[in-house]
Amino acid sequence: AQSVTQPDIHITVSEGASLELRCNYSYGATPYLFWYVQSPGQGLQLLLKYFSGDTLVQGIKGFEAEFKRSQSSFNLRKPSVHWSDAAEYFCAVGHYNQGGKLIFGQGTELSVKP
Amino acid sequence: EAGVAQSPRYKIIEKRQSVAFWCNPISGHATLYWYQQILGQGPKLLIQFQNNGVVDDSQLPKDRFSAERLKGVDSTLKIQPAKLEDSAVYLCASSFLAGEVTQYFGPGTRLTVL
Repeated sequence: AQSVTQPDIHITVSEGASLELRCNYSYGATPYLFWYVQSPGQGLQLLLKYFSGDTLVQGIKGFEAEFKRSQSSFNLRKPSVHWSDAAEYFCAVGHYNQGGKLIFGQGTELSVKP
Repeated sequence: EAGVAQSPRYKIIEKRQSVAFWCNPISGHATLYWYQQILGQGPKLLIQFQNNGVVDDSQLPKDRFSAERLKGVDSTLKIQPAKLEDSAVYLCASSFLAGEVTQYFGPGTRLTVL
């Protein structure tokens, strides 16, 4: 079955510290991979995506993610967290041969300590 | 370029009442999705339209939920009658091409059923 697992429900980091959010997936083939961010009361904003090629992808707001096929993982990183990064982060997978629909993880809530 | 528009942003109803949500996708986007996001979970696809046709409604509770996209542009999602467990954020998303997995999300409608 296709699924996405985000093992950490809630993470707290200090402002200026580095961040890594974990994402593991189960899919029939190598899917397209996404990270979205959701601020309170807002919709989902696309941070970055991986389709093919270089396994380290850069996104907006200083985020990056690395695709590791052997581990079926697509972890999100940021070298220095800002207070405005506090939000909910969702990993998602999809493929054009599945009609483009996305399967989401349950999300990781990020809190930032001053 | 205008984003995905949704209205209303918030709705509170009593159980057994009916409710409708509206979505206007990004101009020119052929594919439209409705997702349900229950508190503490990732979004789950309810229905996918390609132009004015339904591509996937396998997860739509058809005894109470209905959706239409009559002219292949904006869409309406209806719940009748609502149950307590329908309390959630209803997200609309769109993508440009059939099968394209990069989706752009609206701000969502937060439904509370009392």
